[in-house]
Formats: sequence, C-alpha cells, structure tokens
Amino acid sequence: AQSVTQLGSHVSVSEGALVLLRCNYSSSVPPYLFWYVQYPNQGLQLLLKYTSAATLVKGINGFEAEFKKSETSFHLTKPSAHMSDAAEYFCAVSNSGGYQKVTFGTGTKLQVIP
Amino acid sequence: EAGVTQFPSHSVIEKGQTVTLRCDPISGHDNLYWYRRVMGKEIKFLLHFVKESKQDESGMPNNRFLAERTGGTYSTLKVQPAELEDSGVYFCASSQARGWTDTQYFGPGTRLTVL
Repeated sequence: AQSVTQLGSHVSVSEGALVLLRCNYSSSVPPYLFWYVQYPNQGLQLLLKYTSAATLVKGINGFEAEFKKSETSFHLTKPSAHMSDAAEYFCAVSNSGGYQKVTFGTGTKLQVIP
Repeated sequence: EAGVTQFPSHSVIEKGQTVTLRCDPISGHDNLYWYRRVMGKEIKFLLHFVKESKQDESGMPNNRFLAERTGGTYSTLKVQPAELEDSGVYFCASSQARGWTDTQYFGPGTRLTVL
C-alpha cells in the first residue's frame, strides 16, 4: 500500500519569502513521487516528478523538491514566493511501475501575502 | 493542442437522479483515468481505461457508478441513482502510453453537487 501525508492544509508566506510545503510518503517499494498544482478554476498541472535518477528534482516555475529516503520525505520548495504561486498543491505517489495509479495527499493551499 | 476537457463544469442534481459526466482526453492518449475529490479530502483514483478496456476499476465506490469509453476516445461516468455522498469534484486525466514516466494531464474537473 502507498500513501502520502501533507503537513498543513493551509500555508501562508509573504511575497519574496521561502516556500516550503511538506510531504511524507509511505511505500512498500521504491516510490515514484509527484507534485501537482491546481490554480483556481483549472485542472491539476504537474510541477515535477521524481524518477529515481536524481534526488533533487527541478520543476516548473522555480519549484524544486528533494527526495530523502531516510526521512521518507519529498518536500517542495521555492526560494522566493510570487503572488502567482497562490494555489493548491498536491503531493502524490505511485509505485505500480506498469502504469500510474496515483495516490494523492489531501492538498496544501498556499496563500501569498503581499 | 487541446488539453483534457470535461463537461459539464458544474452539475447540481437531487438525490436519486442520474448524472452523466463526460471526459475528452488529449487526442492520441490511450490511457484515461477518473479521479474524485470529496470536499476536504484527498483526490482518489476511481478507474483506468486503456483504450476502450477497463484496466483497473478498483476505486469505483459501488455499482451506482458506471464508466464507459466507447471506441477508445471520450469517456463517460454515470452515477445512477445519485446519493448525497457522491458530491465532489470529478477529475479526468489522460496519458499517452503505458508507463510510470508518462505524465498524466488533468482536466479542470466537474463539480457535482447532490442535494
């Protein structure tokens, strides 16, 4: 069985401040990990994915995440928040290998304060 | 290139009625997935089509839900009869080929409210 836990359903940061969204996973086999973002009235968009090639994964819009096996974590970071980053972020895991049966976390809403 | 589209964007029905949601995947994508998010909870997998065949429907809540993908193109998800607990946002996603590296592209979702 696989699962993800996102700490904090709501996170507020000031514009220009560091963004840190936390995600811990549970998987019986090596996981495949993802971060998705959902902007208001839009579908989910893939930010980045962990492919096991490198532990530090860079995504779109300046986001990155680091896979830490010892901590079973895959936290999402961005050095400097922009107003346009306000959205809901979902961490997800898949370990099927054959196809993506993705298990999502409960989501974290990011508020950026001017 | 058009993305994944879903229709309708919103649906409000009464308990006991029938509702049909439609998903049009990206052209050429063999894989089509349905997910659901009940308010305040995680997005949950419902089922997966490969072309017109159901590959995995382990996430379907019960037999009131019926998904079809005629001809391997668009898909419909019918709820009959709808219950209050069926309210939520239904997402559709598609991917091109069978493999974990393939990105799933999501539609904007259909928000279903059952009164």
